Order: sequence, then C-alpha cells, then structure tokens
Amino acid sequence: AQTVTQSQPEMSVQEAETVTLSCTYDTSESDYYLFWYKQPPSRQMILVIRQEAYKQQNATENRFSVNFQKAAKSFSLKISDSQLGDAAMYFCAYRGGSNYKLTFGKGTLLTVNP
Amino acid sequence: GAGVSQSPRYKVAKRGQDVALRCDPISGHVSLFWYQQALGQGPEFLTYFQNEAQLDKSGLPSDRFFAERPEGSVSTLKIQRTQQEDSAVYLCASSLFQGPSYGYTFGSGTRLTVV
Repeated sequence: AQTVTQSQPEMSVQEAETVTLSCTYDTSESDYYLFWYKQPPSRQMILVIRQEAYKQQNATENRFSVNFQKAAKSFSLKISDSQLGDAAMYFCAYRGGSNYKLTFGKGTLLTVNP
Repeated sequence: GAGVSQSPRYKVAKRGQDVALRCDPISGHVSLFWYQQALGQGPEFLTYFQNEAQLDKSGLPSDRFFAERPEGSVSTLKIQRTQQEDSAVYLCASSLFQGPSYGYTFGSGTRLTVV
C-alpha cells in the first residue's frame, strides 16, 4: 500500500520569506501523481500544485514550486514570498495512475508571521 | 452550482443517534467521493460513486456507514448508531470524470461531533 509521510507537524515563516515543506512517499507503482493541498480554517481542501511522475520538470504555480526527486521518493513544496493568506494546513497527497483514491499525509501546519 | 456544497456544516449527535450528511456536487460531475478526516490527520477515503453506481465502498469503517447517490447528483452519507470514534470532518469531493487528468473539487465538509 502507498504511504505518504510529512515529517514536519508545524512550520513557521516570516512574511515575504521562503519556506519549504517536506513530503516523502512509498510506492511500487511507476505511474502516479503527487499533489499539495491547502486546507484553511474553512476546511475546504484547495489544490495548490500537482506533479505527474512521468514529467522530469518540476511543477511551478506562481509562488509555489515543487522539488520532485523520483528516485528518493521525495516531493517538497517551496513557497516563495510568503503571504499571510498562505497560513493553513498543507497536505501532501498521492494518487496512482490507474486509481482514483487520494492517499494523504498527516499535514503540516504553516504559520506566517507578519 | 459553482462549488461542492455540504450540509450541515456542523452536527452534534448523541451517541447512538443516526445522522445524515449531504453533498451537492458540481453540476455535471460524474465522480463523487467521500473522505473522513479525524482530528489532526489527513483525509482518508471512504467511498466512490460514478454517477449513481457505488463502485468502491472499501473505506467505509463499518456496516453502520452507508452512502447513496440515487439520481447521480446529490449524495448522502448516513451513519447509524453513532459512536464517539465517528467524530470527524466528512469531506465530499467531485470530479468531472474519473481519469487522473481531472482534478477533484472538495467541499468544506461537515464536522460531526458525537457526545
């Protein structure tokens, strides 16, 4: 079974600074997708960024980028120029290529200090 | 609708009571999922519908949990004889189709507290 591990229960960053959230996963599949979701106090899971395993290029969405290390099974999220609105729980998630289920990590609570 | 709508937003139930949680997905979305998120944890898969067919219910924790989507749109998750361990946020998500190219849109969930 696939597992997703987020080893940082909490992180903090100063406004305008950069922070990196860590995620590792375990799978025997060769085709899969990785995601970072943001969950603010409103509880809605919001997709931040996604990465297809077959793509070597790291995904980027504005201030959000990932460092995807397939051999190491590592998928970290970098947030640049952090804003107060970035404060939330962040979840790393895995989905097999032929599957529909998302497997989530336990999350990292990000605090942004003004 | 524009997003996935869930109701009620909060539900307090006495142990042993039956509850029904509603999910109204984005119009036209074929796939619908239920996830359970315990306090301090990530969401865990409960069940999956494609239109009105429940294709996977492997994540339902016990036979007290039952989900339906009779007309292929609105879905209801029912929990019978609630227990304290059922306390969690129940998230619903929908997707236009099943394939991995299609992203999921989540609702804001129902927080169930069993007292």
